[in-house]
Amino acid sequence: ILNVEQSPQSLHVQEGDSTNFTCSFPSSNFYALHWYRWETAKSPEALFVMTLNGDEKKKGRISATLNTKEGYSYLYIKGSQPEDSATYLCAFPNQAGTALIFGKGTTLSVSS
Amino acid sequence: NAGVTQTPKFQVLKTGQSMTLQCAQDMNHEYMSWYRQDPGMGLRLIHYSVGAGITDQGEVPNGYNVSRSTTEDFPLRLLSAAPSQTSVYFCASSHPAANNNEQFFGPGTRLTVL
Repeated sequence: ILNVEQSPQSLHVQEGDSTNFTCSFPSSNFYALHWYRWETAKSPEALFVMTLNGDEKKKGRISATLNTKEGYSYLYIKGSQPEDSATYLCAFPNQAGTALIFGKGTTLSVSS
Repeated sequence: NAGVTQTPKFQVLKTGQSMTLQCAQDMNHEYMSWYRQDPGMGLRLIHYSVGAGITDQGEVPNGYNVSRSTTEDFPLRLLSAAPSQTSVYFCASSHPAANNNEQFFGPGTRLTVL
């Protein structure tokens, strides 16, 4: 089973702070990396799907980078807002390529 | 489109009872999956299906059965509920050719086993 590590487990920042967290994975046999945003009492929603080494994707104040050679992806949030409070999950295709294997997530809390 | 729907939203069972969590999607997705969410554990894959009549085990399949008689429906059965199965259950669907298998999630079923 693919070992996906996310750090930190949780993070508390003040409104306006920029923050980042990490998803680490074995660099061999990489296919794709997914980032999801998961708000309390809601369903996870896809943020990014990344496939190429050096990929950088952006959606508003959130961006992500990918380094497949060293086995990590960073998720950045610029100028955090209270509405950014959520758990951020990274995930990889399972061996069959039909579902996803998720990391344990980083829970972000933003205070106003 | 309704997307992915799940019923019930909440359920309380006694140890040993059985029940079926329903999941349906109207996006004509071939792939469907069940995940459970536990504190500090993220989402863990229970079972998945690549099409009608085809299912397979995920990371944590024990205690759960699935079937896929139609493209639209993917029910999850607990034959004899145990307190360890207290969790939030999410069903998801995806299309194999769309955005590297991006998962679309249902609203979840919160299950408590006493």
